[in-house]
Amino acid sequence: EADIYQTPRYLVIGTGKKITLECSQTMGHDKMYWYQQDPGMELHLIHYSYGVNSTEKGDLSSESTVSRIRTEHFPLTLESARPSHTSQYLCASAGGDTQYFGPGTRLTVL
Amino acid sequence: GEDVEQSLFLSVREGDSSVINCTYTDSSSTYLYWYKQEPGAGLQLLTYIFSNMDMKQDQRLTVLLNKKDKHLSLRIADTQTGDSAIYFCAESIVSGGGADGLTFGKGTHLIIQP
Repeated sequence: EADIYQTPRYLVIGTGKKITLECSQTMGHDKMYWYQQDPGMELHLIHYSYGVNSTEKGDLSSESTVSRIRTEHFPLTLESARPSHTSQYLCASAGGDTQYFGPGTRLTVL
Repeated sequence: GEDVEQSLFLSVREGDSSVINCTYTDSSSTYLYWYKQEPGAGLQLLTYIFSNMDMKQDQRLTVLLNKKDKHLSLRIADTQTGDSAIYFCAESIVSGGGADGLTFGKGTHLIIQP
């Protein structure tokens, strides 16, 4: 069982709000990732990090930003949420050969 | 480019074996994975196989890899109602869980009939 946590699990907000989705892991993994999962259930990589102070954009363009100030923490921020941002956001970290996923944050923007 | 294909649905009777298939296009893939996602949950790693292996077995799960055809399958023996979920095939072309992430298929919905 992997120790990776995401908060909140569910979030419903209005258009234009700034939000931060939290992701933390206690495994000491250097590599962390954010995926967006659309209603058709396909996952797309939107951000990743090799370690502290490292952030990279993934395959799918996203208006969100990330930061990595501490190894265990990889928050994702939307400065001004829009209905098109409605999705499930999954955080993962990697140690060795495998990626471990958090439970996800389901975001709905009205 | 990377592309992972899976059929969207599979329906099996409880107690039968389930076989979920996946094809991938990147011949440089080093690790291939199967993840399980239950409703409202994150992804749970089920198993993975290194590209120089043909088969891996773990209790009720058997993974078969045909590298020549770029075909990966997951067999679940004695399928139970708790196996009902979406199963994702994924590939990594760097090291396992490489920093540029995994490429996922769209997922196969496994439906269990009583």
